[in-house]
Amino acid sequence: DAGVTQSPTHLIKTRGQHVTLRCSPISGHKSVSWYQQVLGQGPQFIFQYYEKEERGRGNFPDRFSARQFPNYSSELNVNALLLGDSALYLCASTYRQGTFYEQYFGPGTRLTVT
Amino acid sequence: QKEVEQNSGPLSVPEGAIASLNCTYSDRVSQSFFWYRQYSGKSPELIMSIYSNGDKEDGRFTAQLNKASQYVSLLIRDSQPSDSATYLCAVNGDYGGSQGNLIFGKGTKLSVKP
Repeated sequence: DAGVTQSPTHLIKTRGQHVTLRCSPISGHKSVSWYQQVLGQGPQFIFQYYEKEERGRGNFPDRFSARQFPNYSSELNVNALLLGDSALYLCASTYRQGTFYEQYFGPGTRLTVT
Repeated sequence: QKEVEQNSGPLSVPEGAIASLNCTYSDRVSQSFFWYRQYSGKSPELIMSIYSNGDKEDGRFTAQLNKASQYVSLLIRDSQPSDSATYLCAVNGDYGGSQGNLIFGKGTKLSVKP
């Protein structure tokens, strides 16, 4: 089975621009979570979507938004980019293991803001 | 503020030795605990999950959980140079139905010397 896919792999944007990142979960997985990982830190939770509804939001400004489509793929949008938004953006697909949930990450999108 | 703490390392062990990685978490009601391996420039890969007190073994990996002490560890037996990576400890941050929010430590960098 294909794993989590993300596009694009790399992206370079200028301050003030807008960016859209895309993710497709593992087939059969209905939940997608987005994380931001800056160099030297662990991933930080941004959003979770399940069945097209937002189920959780991390401590990120309103410039960050996301949505999930009927096929469970997802987009993360970031407006008015700042230099500090430069990071690896990770999408995770959630698998239910009994009463617990495991998350599997895609390869990530590396965003550089100049 | 829920927190996960890890020693950032680097932890250096000789090939064939046991590597011991440790993690503490702040929220006593946390239920799910994960270890991810992240190679430089790559995304995190789930290697172990543990949900109840005690040990869980998978090949050369053993995860240990002590909820009373709020402590999780990962042992890697017969360490190989290919185990050299950053190991991220993660704890579920959402106790609702979806559990799509993981809280990560900063990671411990492991170096296995031939």
